[in-house]
Amino acid sequence: ETGVTQTPRHLVMGMTNKKSLKCEQHLGHNAMYWYKQSAKKPLELMFVYNFKEQTENNSVPSRFSPECPNSSHLFLHLHTLQPEDSALYLCASSQGELGRNEQFFGPGTRLTVL
Amino acid sequence: DAKTTQPTSMDCAEGRAANLPCNHSTISGNEYVYWYRQIHSQGPQYIIHGLKNNETNEMASLIITEDRKSSTLILPHATLRDTAVYYCIVRVASGGSNYKLTFGKGTLLTVNP
Repeated sequence: ETGVTQTPRHLVMGMTNKKSLKCEQHLGHNAMYWYKQSAKKPLELMFVYNFKEQTENNSVPSRFSPECPNSSHLFLHLHTLQPEDSALYLCASSQGELGRNEQFFGPGTRLTVL
Repeated sequence: DAKTTQPTSMDCAEGRAANLPCNHSTISGNEYVYWYRQIHSQGPQYIIHGLKNNETNEMASLIITEDRKSSTLILPHATLRDTAVYYCIVRVASGGSNYKLTFGKGTLLTVNP
């Protein structure tokens, strides 16, 4: 148990659906991250939020829309996804200056797009 | 950005020490070496990090060569639960903020009974 929870753990959706992934950290950290891990590629950083402000958008398509209402919660809104978006989506958090301290990861959401 | 090179896979007997190597010959002076691992179907887990000196915590030891071009992660008494993919990462700079962790393919460590 890392203190970072993600829901749902598994999600199957069609290309026309709209769904949201949720991440919550109980560690009092100021930074939160979304990563994508697909079978054919290494872990890819998608978005970074620090004190609720987005500091990184790693050229992610607009069909992925992040939201960070406060430092403890992070959402990833999904719409009109493609089958190649099927992957494990991981959330992480860290404390202090970005990169200075280790990141704590959640268990991930396994997404399948049909 | 410094890149890392790790063996694709390694085996280790339960109870023995597991020594996982990593090459990072282009590392710059202010970059740290981080180690994470990912057990199947779980998120990555931080293990240890270091700059120049050897480091030890409750999980592992990190040995960094004097020239900092390579390092070794040591699990002193491997257990079956240590079977995972181990990532050696050098922290890279992005947009002036030195925070991005770039994960490679890592080493699949299999601990055998």
